[in-house]
Order: sequence, then C-alpha cells, then structure tokens
Amino acid sequence: KQEVTQIPAALSVPEGENLVLNCSFTDSAIYNLQWFRQDPGKGLTSLLLIQSSQREQTSGRLNASLDKSSGRSTLYIAASQPGDSATYLCAVRKGNFNKFYFGSGTKLNVKP
Amino acid sequence: EAEVAQSPRYKITEKSQAVAFWCDPISGHATLYWYRQILGQGPELLVQFQDESVVDDSQLPKDRFSAERLKGVDSTLKIQPAELGDSAMYLCASSRGVAQLGTDTQYFGPGTRLTVL
Repeated sequence: KQEVTQIPAALSVPEGENLVLNCSFTDSAIYNLQWFRQDPGKGLTSLLLIQSSQREQTSGRLNASLDKSSGRSTLYIAASQPGDSATYLCAVRKGNFNKFYFGSGTKLNVKP
Repeated sequence: EAEVAQSPRYKITEKSQAVAFWCDPISGHATLYWYRQILGQGPELLVQFQDESVVDDSQLPKDRFSAERLKGVDSTLKIQPAELGDSAMYLCASSRGVAQLGTDTQYFGPGTRLTVL
C-alpha cells in the first residue's frame, strides 16, 4: 500500500517569507503527483500536477519539484501572503486502479 | 469555469437514519471519485467509477454504504444506517480519465459535511 507523509503537520510564518512544504511517498512507481490547497470546511483546489517524467512545475509564486527515485516532492511558496493560509495536501497516483493516495496535509498560517 | 457540484452542503442526522449525497461531475469527465475526509486527515477513496462501472470500492463499507452512477454522469452515495463514526466530510471529484494517466487531473466539489448525532 502506498504511504504518503507530509512534514511538517503545521507551519506558521510571517508574511513575506519563502517556505517549503514536504511530501514523501513509499512507492516510486507513480503516474503523477498533485498538490492541492484546502480552505477550512471547503473542497480541494488543484495547484500543480507533476507527471512522473517531469522534475518540476511552476505556477506564479508556487514551484513543485519531484524526485521519484527518493520518493519526495516539495512545494515552494515564494513571498508568502496571509491569503496563502490554508491546508496543503499532496496526492500520488498509482496502482492497478490508478488510485490517488493523499497525505494528511500541512496546515499553513501566514501572519500579517 | 466548469465545476463539480455536490448537495447538500451540510447534513445533520441521527444514528440509524439513512442519508444520501449527490454529485454532478464536470461535463465529459469519465472518472468519478467519492472520498471521505476525517478532520485533520487527508481524503480516503471510498469508490471510483469509470463511466457507470465501479473500478475500485475496496475501502467502501459495503454493509452500510452504496454508490451508483447509473447513466455514467451524476452519482449518489448512500449510507444506511448512519453511525456516529460516519461523521466526516464527503468529497466528490472527477477527472477526464484520459489514456495518459500522468496528465489526468482531479477536480473536487465543495463537499458535504455530515454530522451524525
């Protein structure tokens, strides 16, 4: 079974800081890895998708990297803003039924 | 922009009652997913449909949960009878289900928050 771990579980930073969120997974035979944002009591919003053949993807202030061989991905957020406060989840897609396996998320608080 | 629709947004019920959730995926999306998310945890897949067929329901408690997607479009998830431990957020997602799985992105609905008293 695929295990997905996200560290840290919670993070509090002052506005303007650059930060890195981590995601690790046990089985490197994945199709892709997706980063999501979840606001309290809401659904998930897709941020970035990295295919297994790619090393990184960028969208605005967000950059996600993937190292399949070591089972790791990072989400880099540049110049953080209070509006970035949310829970960030990573999910990997693998397996016979192409399932998505989620981590428990990192709860980010950006202080004004 | 097309979105995944879910209803109701909130549901409060007493244990042993029946509840049902509805999901309408993005038009043209062949794959539909139902997830359960307990507070503080990541979503866990309950059932996955490809068109009208179930391709994975290994984590669905089949003694009380059922799901259907009769015409391969919208879907219903039912719980009967509800138990206290079923209190959670129920999320529906859809994806195109393209042949190249590496590019297949999931899009989520707003979820249904279930509270069982």
